[in-house]
Amino acid sequence: DAKTTQPNSMESNEEEPVHLPCNHSTISGTDYIHWYRQLPSQGPEYVIHGLTSNVNNRMASLAIAEDRKSSTLILHRATLRDAAVYYCILNNAGNMLTFGGGTRLMVKP
Amino acid sequence: NAGVMQNPRHLVRRRGQEARLRCSPMKGHSHVYWYRQLPEEGLKFMVYLQKENIIDESGMPKERFSAEFPKEGPSILRIQQVVRGDSAAYFCASSRTSGRYETQYFGPGTRLLVL
Repeated sequence: DAKTTQPNSMESNEEEPVHLPCNHSTISGTDYIHWYRQLPSQGPEYVIHGLTSNVNNRMASLAIAEDRKSSTLILHRATLRDAAVYYCILNNAGNMLTFGGGTRLMVKP
Repeated sequence: NAGVMQNPRHLVRRRGQEARLRCSPMKGHSHVYWYRQLPEEGLKFMVYLQKENIIDESGMPKERFSAEFPKEGPSILRIQQVVRGDSAAYFCASSRTSGRYETQYFGPGTRLLVL
């Protein structure tokens, strides 16, 4: 499976935008880019996914580089409830998600 | 539409006992996945099942662990003769299909503690 690289941790101030980067230089043409997050003591939660075009939903936006070797998850206005570990995952097979270390996002009031 | 349900939420077992973890997928979902998260580690895939079939068990330990997803009822992850190293959070996820664009919906997890 293609690998993703994310910073171990990031900090943000409440009500400011957050840009969470993900590098996936070995991505294949059929890999979908998925983002999940895991709040403390909870199960992972789907955030967003895309293939080539940028995507928006009520939770976040996903900006995908033209060469698809990187992507950025954008939280438009961070709240304290967004403090979580964010995972960028490439899905090719559809039968399992391979979680890396993710980025631990800390939100300061 | 109720989400993925797991029970029990917490389970305490002594070494050598059996642990049974249950997962009810979301309504309309016939694909179930089990993941394990050891303390201070990331989630690791264990097994993928469709109704009555194990599709991929490449992440499951060869001994003591088994999983099923019967035609009726929840999916069960069974751990026989538990050891301290089995202490972890076990998460179940479900999806409608298995496409690489498909979203997996996770349950709240079962936290197993082996004494």
